[in-house]
Amino acid sequence: ILNVEQSPQSLHVQEGDSTNFTCSFPSSNFYALHWYRWETAKSPEALFVMTLNGDEKKKGRISATLNTKEGYSYLYIKGSQPEDSATYLCAFNSNYQLIWGAGTKLIIKP
Amino acid sequence: EAGVVQSPRYKIIEKKQPVAFWCNPISGHNTLYWYRQNLGQGPELLIRYENEEAVDDSQLPKDRFSAERLKGVDSTLKIQPAELGDSAVYLCASSLTSGVVHEQYFGPGTRLTVT
Repeated sequence: ILNVEQSPQSLHVQEGDSTNFTCSFPSSNFYALHWYRWETAKSPEALFVMTLNGDEKKKGRISATLNTKEGYSYLYIKGSQPEDSATYLCAFNSNYQLIWGAGTKLIIKP
Repeated sequence: EAGVVQSPRYKIIEKKQPVAFWCNPISGHNTLYWYRQNLGQGPELLIRYENEEAVDDSQLPKDRFSAERLKGVDSTLKIQPAELGDSAVYLCASSLTSGVVHEQYFGPGTRLTVT
């Protein structure tokens, strides 16, 4: 059974602080690792698709790294803003399917 | 470009009643997915369509759930009869490619409450 773990489950961060969270996934049958952001009452939105070991991707204040050999990815948010409050989901892309983590719920305190 | 459209957004029904969800994918996306997300868990794939063909429905509880994608565009997911444990968010997604690595685009989901 393929298992994707995300930690922490939830996180409260002061506005302006930086933060990061983890996605752990199987190190075999790896094709890609996806990060999504899901704001309340909206559609989940794709942030990154990462395929190569050592990949680093960046979009504004958000960045992600990938280690396929040990099976983890980190998502970093620099200088958190209220609009960053959301649930961040990762998904392990195995053969034709995505296996999803339970998400990290991020709450930014003003 | 219009995104994935789902309706209704919210639905409250009593147990043993039927319910149906509708999804309109992004134009040109041949692959369509239905997911169920229970509270505190990640989305779980129920069924995947390539055009009008269901290519993966291994996780669909076939005794009470059914889905169709006539003409390979819109799709409907039905539950009959609903049970208390069916309370969840039902997400529809679509993707352009059916390749191994593919980006999925999601609708806002339907939040179902069964009382």
